[in-house]
Amino acid sequence: TQLLEQSPQFLSIQEGENLTVYCNSSSVFSSLQWYRQEPGEGPVLLVTVVTGGEVKKLKRLTFQFGDARKDSSLHITAAQPGDTGLYLCAGPHGSGNTGKLIFGQGTTLQVKP
Amino acid sequence: DTAVSQTPKYLVTQMGNDKSIKCEQNLGHDTMYWYKQDSKKFLKIMFSYNNKELIINETVPNRFSPKSPDKAHLNLHINSLELGDSAVYFCASSQALGGVYEQYFGPGTRLTVT
Repeated sequence: TQLLEQSPQFLSIQEGENLTVYCNSSSVFSSLQWYRQEPGEGPVLLVTVVTGGEVKKLKRLTFQFGDARKDSSLHITAAQPGDTGLYLCAGPHGSGNTGKLIFGQGTTLQVKP
Repeated sequence: DTAVSQTPKYLVTQMGNDKSIKCEQNLGHDTMYWYKQDSKKFLKIMFSYNNKELIINETVPNRFSPKSPDKAHLNLHINSLELGDSAVYFCASSQALGGVYEQYFGPGTRLTVT
């Protein structure tokens, strides 16, 4: 069974701090996606990583796909209150040809001003 | 322009009732999904349709019945609602690009069964 485990589950930090969220699995994924969900809204795709070792940057957010494609991390530099939300990693189930995604349980981030 | 829309946003109903949630996407995607997000924020797929054909049908009570009249619409009908059905239901759509299905979610429907 493919599982994605995220850590930490909850993170409360002050504005300006740095943080890293991890998404780990014992299974190999052909790609991994990161979504952010704000209260009362649906998840919004932030990035997709497809190549082992790949690093992608989105302003202050840096995403990395593990070399073995079993894990990914999201690093936020100088967090701001606008970064507050639920961060979800997701990967394709099985061969991935149905579009079915497996989601991690999420990391709730609160950035205090 | 709203990409994926759902109605209603909130649904409060009593046990035993039947209710429907509607979803529409204007992205031209071939694939649409229904997800359930529980109180712990865990997101789990329920159904998926590709060009009106059911392709994913997870272990969901048969009180839940999806219907896709065309590839831009996917509705969810729930019969005999139970307390445990209370959750947020998300519709999503995607288009395969290089084997990757990036999903676009609607705003969600918060269902409360009393």
